Amino acid sequence: GAGVSQSPSNKVTEKGKDVELRCDPISGHTALYWYRQRLGQGLEFLIYFQGNSAPDKSGLPSDRFSAERTGESVSTLTIQRTQQEDSAVYLCASGRDYSSDTQYFGPGTRLTVL
Amino acid sequence: QQPVQSPQAVILREGEDAVINCSSSKALYSVHWYRQKHGEAPVFLMILLKGGEQKGHEKISASFNEKKQQSSLYLTASQLSYSGTYFCGTLPSGTYKYIFGTGTRLKVLA
Repeated sequence: GAGVSQSPSNKVTEKGKDVELRCDPISGHTALYWYRQRLGQGLEFLIYFQGNSAPDKSGLPSDRFSAERTGESVSTLTIQRTQQEDSAVYLCASGRDYSSDTQYFGPGTRLTVL
Repeated sequence: QQPVQSPQAVILREGEDAVINCSSSKALYSVHWYRQKHGEAPVFLMILLKGGEQKGHEKISASFNEKKQQSSLYLTASQLSYSGTYFCGTLPSGTYKYIFGTGTRLKVLA
C-alpha cells in the first residue's frame, strides 16, 4: 500500500564512524535501487538489486560502501569509516521489474558527515 | 560518460512550450525521464524503450531516437507545477547501471 520508505530521514555523524541506511521498498517490487545525490548535483547510481542479488556493484564509490537486501524486502546501505565527501542525500527506489518499469523513489536519507 | 542535457536551464511563461534534450555517447536500451522539485525526491514521468518510440503523458510527451542515442522531452502549454529540475536516466545496452543526465532546471512563471 504505502510508498517506498527510508530511515533515518536525517543522519549526522562524525568522520570515521559507520552508518547504516535503510530502505523499505513497495511490497512486491523485485527491483531495488540506491542512488546518491550531492547538493545541487544529479543522481549517481550506486547499486541495483533484483530480488536479493546485486548483479553489478561497480557503481559503489569505494570499498567502504556495501549494500545488502533480505529477500525481496528491506535493503541496507552501509558506509564504513565515513568521510566528509560522503555527505549527500541517499535515495532508494523500487520497481516491479528492472529496466522496463517505473522507479518509485523514497524520500531519501540526508547524511551529513562532520 | 554522463548524458548531456540541453538546455541547462529554461524560464517559461505559463502556457508556453519547452523541449529538453538528452544525448548519450553510449548505445541505450532505455531512457527514463524524471522531475525533481527542490528538496523532494525525483518523480518518474515516463520510460522509453529502444525502438524509436514516442510516448505521451497528459501534456508531457517524449521521443527516443535509438540510432542517435538521444531522447527529447516535450512540455506543452506549461503550468506552474511543471517547475523543477528534469533528469533523463539512461540504461546503456548490456549493462545494469543507470546513468543520469546533467539535469535541466525549468521555471514556469505566471
